[in-house]
Amino acid sequence: KAGVTQTPRYLIKTRGQQVTLSCSPISGHRSVSWYQQTPGQGLQFLFEYFSETQRNKGNFPGRFSGRQFSNSRSEMNVSTLELGDSALYLCASSPPDPNTGELFFGEGSRLTVL
Amino acid sequence: SQQGEEDPQALSIQEGENATMNCSYKTSINNLQWYRQNSGRGLVHLILIRSNEREKHSGRLRVTLDTSKKSSSLLITASRAADTASYFCATVLLSGNTPLVFGKGTRLSVIA
Repeated sequence: KAGVTQTPRYLIKTRGQQVTLSCSPISGHRSVSWYQQTPGQGLQFLFEYFSETQRNKGNFPGRFSGRQFSNSRSEMNVSTLELGDSALYLCASSPPDPNTGELFFGEGSRLTVL
Repeated sequence: SQQGEEDPQALSIQEGENATMNCSYKTSINNLQWYRQNSGRGLVHLILIRSNEREKHSGRLRVTLDTSKKSSSLLITASRAADTASYFCATVLLSGNTPLVFGKGTRLSVIA
């Protein structure tokens, strides 16, 4: 079974630009979560999607948005990039059994904002 | 603020020694999970312990949970150089359908 796939793995943008990151969950997983990881703040929850609906949202500005498609693939978008948006963005999917709560992570997309 | 806080922030040991990491949390939980992250990579789930469990084993891993103290510990026995990674605890809150909340992690270095 293929794991969670994130693209691109690395990207460099300049301030003011926007970026779109993609995540393909494990087959059969309908929930996708996004996290931002920085050395200073650690892992911070961005949002979670389930069956194309945003189920939870973290405390991030409106510049951060996401969506989920009918095939469970998800994208997140960051507009008007700031230097502080440089981070590793991690996507995770979870299996249909809600009792586990286990997350399966992708390798991440490392964003550098210059 | 973080729900889970790991202690110590960094730990350096010799190969073959045991490594113990601790996690404290603030509010009632449904379960607590431990994850490992190799440098710059994604996180890998290690073990999950439910609020009604006190101890759990998986290979060289032993996890304990003390809900009265709101704390958990992860013990890695007979550590190997390949265990070098960051270890995170994460909690699923009792309050309902909430996302997994991670601590800032313990950086473990195992020296061969």
